[in-house]
Amino acid sequence: AQRVTQPEKLLSVFKGAPVELKCNYSYSGSPELFWYVQYSRQRLQLLLRHISRESIKGFTADLNKGETSFHLKKPFAQEEDSAMYYCALSNQAGTALIFGKGTTLSVSS
Amino acid sequence: EPEVTQTPSHQVTQMGQEVILRCVPISNHLYFYWYRQILGQKVEFLVSFYNNEISEKSEIFDDQFSVERPDGSNFTLKIRSTKLEDSAMYFCASSRGPPGYGYTFGSGTRLTVV
Repeated sequence: AQRVTQPEKLLSVFKGAPVELKCNYSYSGSPELFWYVQYSRQRLQLLLRHISRESIKGFTADLNKGETSFHLKKPFAQEEDSAMYYCALSNQAGTALIFGKGTTLSVSS
Repeated sequence: EPEVTQTPSHQVTQMGQEVILRCVPISNHLYFYWYRQILGQKVEFLVSFYNNEISEKSEIFDDQFSVERPDGSNFTLKIRSTKLEDSAMYFCASSRGPPGYGYTFGSGTRLTVV
C-alpha cells in the first residue's frame, strides 16, 4: 500500500535552531516525493520536489530509499517558517498525490 | 503569478441538499484535481481529471460525487445529497502535467453541512 507517515504532529523550535521534519513513505518502485507548505490562512503551496534536488527558502530534502524517508531540513529556522508542512507521494499511476497528516512547525524567538 | 480560484470560500448547506463547488484552474493547465480535508485530519484525494474525463478517483468519491468541466474554464465538484460527514475543506488543484510537476492549489471552500 502507498502511504506517507509524518510522525510528529507538532515541532517547536527556537529561531536559529536546526529543523528536521520527518517523512517516511511506503511505496514499491521509484517514488516521486514532495513537500507542501501551508502558511496561516494561505493556500497549500509546493515547497520542493525530490526530482529537482532544489533548495527553497533554505529547506532541503533528501530521498533515502534505504530508510524510505524524505525528511525536510533547514539548518537555521526563522520565525516566518512557522506553518503546516505536508509530505506527499505521487501514486503509482501518476494520477494523484497521497498526503501525510502534516506537521505544524512553530518557530519562536 | 497565476492562481487557482475557488468559489464560494464558505458554504453552509442542509443535509440532503445538493452543492456545487466551483474552481477556475490555471488556464494552460491540463490536469485537475479535487481534494478534501476534514478538520484535524489529513488532505485526502478525491478525484483527478484529464482530457475531459476522470483519470482516477478514490473510495471517497462515490456515486454522490461528480465532476464537470462545463465550459473549458470552470471545474466543478457536485455533491448530490450532502451528509454531515461531507463537512470539510475542499481544495481544487491544477497542474501542467502529472503530479511530478507539482500542483497549484486553490484557497479552498469550507463546506458545512447542518
